[in-house]
Amino acid sequence: AQKVTQAQTEISVVEKEDVTLDCVYETRDTTYYLFWYKQPPSGELVFLIRRNSFDEQNEISGRYSWNFQKSTSSFNFTITASQVVDSAVYFCALSISNFGNEKLTFGTGTRLTIIP
Amino acid sequence: GAVVSQHPSRVICKSGTSVKIECRSLDFQATTMFWYRQFPKQSLMLMATSNEGSKATYEQGVEKDKFLINHASLTLSTLTVTSAHPEDSSFYICSARRGREPLHFGNGTRLTVT
Repeated sequence: AQKVTQAQTEISVVEKEDVTLDCVYETRDTTYYLFWYKQPPSGELVFLIRRNSFDEQNEISGRYSWNFQKSTSSFNFTITASQVVDSAVYFCALSISNFGNEKLTFGTGTRLTIIP
Repeated sequence: GAVVSQHPSRVICKSGTSVKIECRSLDFQATTMFWYRQFPKQSLMLMATSNEGSKATYEQGVEKDKFLINHASLTLSTLTVTSAHPEDSSFYICSARRGREPLHFGNGTRLTVT
């Protein structure tokens, strides 16, 4: 069975600070995909990133960056120079399908509040 | 723009009635769709996998007679909550698979049963 743990339930930081959201996963499969989604108050899920298990390169997209460490089964997400618009619930998710486009196992989410 | 449309976005119904939620893939055919449920301040839990032309596959603990799923066409899956009760109040969100892309999610439906 797969499991995704987001130990941080809620985080608050002052605007412009950097913040890292932790994600630890468990799976016995060697091929899997990891995701991060953003859920603003309106409820929709905004796709942020998909990373397969064979690609351990870190990724940067604007103010967002992701650190994938297979050795520790972690896929952490950092927001640099946070902005109020970053306030949302962030979910880490895991899929063991070929392209990660089958059912997802979600973590419990981290509620991020950026204080102006 | 959105590739999956979910309707309605909000619905309030009385206890004992049934409510139908639609999930449509826009401009593509989705042989497989997924239905998730999210209770307030909790994670998303997969309810069922909807397959076009066949019966849905339900996750353990999900009552298939209560949550009826119909995937009658390649662009539409419906979830009907039958004989709704207040404990069914939740946020329901669907997703559709388009090729090798990450799943596309609808905007969700907030169901309140009074």
